[in-house]
Amino acid sequence: DTGVSQDPRHKITKRGQNVTFRCDPISEHNRLYWYRQTLGQGPEFLTYFQNEAQLEKSRLLSDRFSAERPKGSFSTLEIQRTEQGDSAMYLCASSKTGGDSPLHFGNGTRLTVT
Amino acid sequence: RKEVEQDPGPFNVPEGATVAFNCTYSNSASQSFFWYRQDCRKEPKLLMSVYSSGNEDGRFTAQLNRASQYISLLIRDSKLSDSATYLCVVTYTGGFKTIFGAGTRLFVKA
Repeated sequence: DTGVSQDPRHKITKRGQNVTFRCDPISEHNRLYWYRQTLGQGPEFLTYFQNEAQLEKSRLLSDRFSAERPKGSFSTLEIQRTEQGDSAMYLCASSKTGGDSPLHFGNGTRLTVT
Repeated sequence: RKEVEQDPGPFNVPEGATVAFNCTYSNSASQSFFWYRQDCRKEPKLLMSVYSSGNEDGRFTAQLNRASQYISLLIRDSKLSDSATYLCVVTYTGGFKTIFGAGTRLFVKA
């Protein structure tokens, strides 16, 4: 068990560019989550996958955001036409099925939009 | 109103003190409850689950009051290493909708 892995750790991009982040969950976990966190706030839910199916997407997620988990393993989060307000830490987490299964987080990808 | 609310603090306490954090949640259908710890610029890490009967893990005690929709965390004999942000977490809808509070900051000083 190598834990949840995210790549890259840091990303600096210019406004208007597209960025893509990757998350590799713990191998036996079938649930995968994306969260966004800004300074002084708790993680905000963005979207959730059960295996390859995207079951919920937050209203926080504009049409510029898209996430995939094509084979039920790793996931990608893409932000198109980035804006300065997208600057945040993007956290990926995974868990086993079951309401009492806690989330295990990756180290996050820190995005800075200049 | 936020779904999960916490006192943001900060709480500044001396080593050895006992400190308690509270958290309220708005959705009565909430199913599972956790406390996470987050160090500065790091990812959140599970501290402990919270059970209806209350549970203890060393110096940490968590309590749940479903009637009042209220969760608490008690830290006894605070250590410098306890300095962190403590996040209250609530799940519902079959366990996949997991909502975090904004966190309570704790500073333990020598």
